[in-house]
Amino acid sequence: GEEVAQTPKHLVRGEGQKAKLYCAPIKGHSYVFWYQQVLKNEFKFLISFQNENVFDETGMPKERFSAKCLPNSPCSLEIQATKLEDSAVYFCASSQWTGSNGYTFGSGTRLTVV
Amino acid sequence: SQQGEEDPQALSIQEGENATMNCSYKTSINNLQWYRQNSGRGLVHLILIRSNEREKHSGRLRVTLDTSKKSSSLLITASRAADTASYFCATASTGGGNKLTFGTGTQLKVEL
Repeated sequence: GEEVAQTPKHLVRGEGQKAKLYCAPIKGHSYVFWYQQVLKNEFKFLISFQNENVFDETGMPKERFSAKCLPNSPCSLEIQATKLEDSAVYFCASSQWTGSNGYTFGSGTRLTVV
Repeated sequence: SQQGEEDPQALSIQEGENATMNCSYKTSINNLQWYRQNSGRGLVHLILIRSNEREKHSGRLRVTLDTSKKSSSLLITASRAADTASYFCATASTGGGNKLTFGTGTQLKVEL
């Protein structure tokens, strides 16, 4: 399809619980990116994939965050033992290998940790 | 960390007026992109300008890029109420792979 599909739209977790978010990129797009948006105006890069391989993980808090993009499956972002500060909207984006047409973003998953 | 700073942080104009938003960044870039975010929604790609380009147009949008000053501007002409949204610049840095680093955004409100 021509949209990046993110599920679920909303997720509520108690502190310490696990959260798993999913992203289906556009078919034919080689790159997938995860971003975290806190407070409506700050986007933090987390990780990117080239097909199923990690391309850049410099933004990932590695002790609790992990991500995968496996063939024939939606990509996933998992947070173990969530903390209050993980509350944010998590966006997935995909692009063709050149990125010359910009990135296509999903509508996001709003994670609330209580 | 945020690469770009945008100003103004908020802008309120009347329908039909032009809106100009500015973005500054810190590193060498391959390209700079502008995105729009409506409240509660994802980002929509508006326009991309490469580092060797100085100006680009798309419909009512005009983007300029000055790499010597590390700055860009987005002009929306003849604004409409539907243009009300937050606008973000994002840069793809040279040697930074293809990840985007976002500015802090400008909240535009277009009033009838």
